[in-house]
Amino acid sequence: QQQVRQSPQSLTVWEGGTTVLTCSYEDSTFNYFPWYQQFPGEGPALLISILSVSDKKEDGRFTTFFNKREKKLSLHIIDSQPGDSATYFCAASGAGANTGKLTFGHGTILRVHP
Amino acid sequence: EAAVTQSPRNKVAVTGGKVTLSCNQTNNHNNMYWYRQDTGHGLRLIHYSYGAGSTEKGDIPDGYKASRPSQENFSLILELATPSQTSVYFCASGAPAWGYEQYFGPGTRLTVL
Repeated sequence: QQQVRQSPQSLTVWEGGTTVLTCSYEDSTFNYFPWYQQFPGEGPALLISILSVSDKKEDGRFTTFFNKREKKLSLHIIDSQPGDSATYFCAASGAGANTGKLTFGHGTILRVHP
Repeated sequence: EAAVTQSPRNKVAVTGGKVTLSCNQTNNHNNMYWYRQDTGHGLRLIHYSYGAGSTEKGDIPDGYKASRPSQENFSLILELATPSQTSVYFCASGAPAWGYEQYFGPGTRLTVL
């Protein structure tokens, strides 16, 4: 049972364009949603994260939006650069016994063409 | 910045053999995690630990054991390796705090023949 669904599986954008990645989840106890960026041959690196008490968090060219009612989140990358080409994972964790246990989406492979 | 190292980086094992993957973190984080990454599955949690001496089962623990002998070290043990355990394994550490940010190591590529 996949608890975190991520789309699209892959995406190609032109340099300077805006990238939008989306995730949906099922478990209403999830309250922490990080996005990870992974380059080939490396481990995932935390890119940006948001708590369920917020609906938007911005960090430079990266913004994540959270919609609690629809159980959806998204990652927007403005002015996309070739160096942003990587695999992006959304993840989620909840409070209580599940705190710290991340459930990951399957990832989106992003290619930014110059 | 968080420092998580893994060894070995690459490993070839035979079916039925014992494999031990090691992880070391210098962040003094209480929590440590083992994931495996397979194409089409993202990262899946195998075992995790809240501190030295503790291990907990994750979402896919079958065929794996874990050991946390110290704050810094967390091992993943495959007692009887099978080809289905061919994968890339990632270790991560994290501190109990609001958000539970996790920091990942570079991964170990394991091939079981």
